[in-house]
Amino acid sequence: DAGVIQSPRHEVTEMGQEVTLRCKPISGHNSLFWYRQTMMRGLELLIYFNNNVPIDDSGMPEDRFSAKMPNASFSTLKIQPSEPRDSAVYFCASRLPPGSSYNEQFFGPGTRLTVL
Amino acid sequence: AQSVTQPDIHITVSEGASLELRCNYSYGATPYLFWYVQSPGQGLQLLLKYFSGDTLVQGIKGFEAEFKRSQSSFNLRKPSVHWSDAAEYFCAVGGSAAGNKLTFGGGTRVLVKP
Repeated sequence: DAGVIQSPRHEVTEMGQEVTLRCKPISGHNSLFWYRQTMMRGLELLIYFNNNVPIDDSGMPEDRFSAKMPNASFSTLKIQPSEPRDSAVYFCASRLPPGSSYNEQFFGPGTRLTVL
Repeated sequence: AQSVTQPDIHITVSEGASLELRCNYSYGATPYLFWYVQSPGQGLQLLLKYFSGDTLVQGIKGFEAEFKRSQSSFNLRKPSVHWSDAAEYFCAVGGSAAGNKLTFGGGTRVLVKP
């Protein structure tokens, strides 16, 4: 298994531009999580999905952020318009369905976003 | 609400010496506990996990952790550190009562001296 796949690995953009981050979870995993990691705030959960349905988006910082999961094998996190304070590493993680014995999450390599 | 505290932000240890990273948690039910490691520029990799049973759990790379319910702790240990263990370590807590979400501590950065 290739693990969780994220693209791009690095993104540099200018303030005001739209940014789309992509994630492919591990096959068979029905839960998907988006995290943001910064020096100041550490690792924060932004949103998570079960069976492609958003369950908790309370961590999404503001309306400029949106996430979708159109099918079990793909998710996007979009920032529009982007701002310099959005610069961070964004991680996607996936896990087996709720009710499994384990809550273990498997993380992707992350996307390092820089907004100039 | 659940929370995780890692009191040590940085730890420096000599290669070959023992390592212990502290983790204290707050959780209203039976916790699931995890330790993850993050090498520079990489994602998080699971070292070990505790769900139930034996309170001393073994993980990858020679790490172990001990769950102490009375102290709400889940400290990570390694008897002899290798230079490749230099990384950031995160403790996390979760469980069915938390809607299957994990809450992570702030992390402890480990530096290994030759």
